[in-house]
Amino acid sequence: DAGVTQSPTHLIKTRGQQVTLRCSPKSGHDTVSWYQQALGQGPQFIFQYYEEEERQRGNFPDRFSGHQFPNYSSELNVNALLLGDSALYLCASSPPLWRGGHEQYFGPGTRLTVT
Amino acid sequence: GENVEQHPSTLSVQEGDSAVIKCTYSDSASNYFPWYKQELGKGPQLIIDIRSNVGEKKDQRIAVTLNKTAKHFSLHITETQPEDSAVYFCAASMGYGGSQGNLIFGKGTKLSVKP
Repeated sequence: DAGVTQSPTHLIKTRGQQVTLRCSPKSGHDTVSWYQQALGQGPQFIFQYYEEEERQRGNFPDRFSGHQFPNYSSELNVNALLLGDSALYLCASSPPLWRGGHEQYFGPGTRLTVT
Repeated sequence: GENVEQHPSTLSVQEGDSAVIKCTYSDSASNYFPWYKQELGKGPQLIIDIRSNVGEKKDQRIAVTLNKTAKHFSLHITETQPEDSAVYFCAASMGYGGSQGNLIFGKGTKLSVKP
């Protein structure tokens, strides 16, 4: 059973550009959450998707947007990149609540560097 | 909003000793407390979790305790091994209305186990 997968592994972009990161949840999971982890810090919540809609959002600007597809996979888009957006972007998936789904399982992350 | 404090930031122990990491949270409505282990270059790995209706949970060499009155929870690792060396994060969340809550993380503890 494959775990959470993310692509690409690494990405280098220039200030002002746009980026799309992708995530496939664990089999049987229906909720996807995105987190940003700066070097030496704990992950910070960006937003959560369920049934193709954004259900919760953290304290991130509108430059950060997302999408969830009918197969539960998800994308994170960041527009007008800033140097401060350089970080490890983590995707986490959760099982349905009827299966006791409080757990969040993380993927390996995408390392984004903005120059 | 919720705030999670984690101590210590670094912890060095001899192989075979025990290690204890402590976290406090601010929002009494938080009801789910997971612990993650993050190795260099990898995403956080869920190692154990506890819900607010339970005071203690154990899984082999790892245990977690929760004191709801004092709003703190702790991770205990016994008989430490060099492969336990990693950064450990505590987190808290508040599931509500049929949804998984977003995780609020502590800043992490870098555990080093010396052979």
